[in-house]
Amino acid sequence: TQLLEQSPQFLSIQEGENLTVYCNSSSVFSSLQWYRQEPGEGPVLLVTVVTGGEVKKLKRLTFQFGDARKDSSLHITAAQPGDTGLYLCAGATGANNLFFGTGTRLTVIP
Amino acid sequence: GAVVSQHPSWVICKSGTSVKIECRSLDFQATTMFWYRQFPKQSLMLMATSNEGSKATYEQGVEKDKFLINHASLTLSTLTVTSAHPEDSSFYICSARDWRAAANVLTFGAGSRLTVL
Repeated sequence: TQLLEQSPQFLSIQEGENLTVYCNSSSVFSSLQWYRQEPGEGPVLLVTVVTGGEVKKLKRLTFQFGDARKDSSLHITAAQPGDTGLYLCAGATGANNLFFGTGTRLTVIP
Repeated sequence: GAVVSQHPSWVICKSGTSVKIECRSLDFQATTMFWYRQFPKQSLMLMATSNEGSKATYEQGVEKDKFLINHASLTLSTLTVTSAHPEDSSFYICSARDWRAAANVLTFGAGSRLTVL
């Protein structure tokens, strides 16, 4: 089982601050996805990155896939309370294998 | 877009009973569905891969006789927790892949919270 370590595990920040979440592994992935999960609900896909070095932006969220396709980062600019949730990265190694990271629980304080 | 429905969303049962959780793809066909388990404040752990018309593939450490998976149609997979015990209490989530979509494009259900008394 591939291990995806996310850091930090917990993050509590004030509204308006910036933050970065990291997802690291020793394994190479064909693609990497980021999800956000609200309490009591299933994960919702935010983005999929495929190419090493790829950068994708989704409004205030910027996702980057490492050049070696072993790691990724999620940067949020000017965080808002609505960004609160559990952020999960997930790496894919084949057609059906998706391995989830350890998760980062973000709380944005108004 | 693709929608996956789980039922029930929550269930409470007595120790020793069996509980069945359904995972349905509502507007697409899914040859493969996945079952995950999530403990409070933790990430998702893949339990098994459910393949339509064949036996499920279980991850290491997951008892196949404890967690029975049936994928009898292209839109339905079920997970049955047999002889449930309090330690089986958890949040169970399924996901499904639209057979027409690119690999690893999964849609997740909203989860089913099981509490075993």
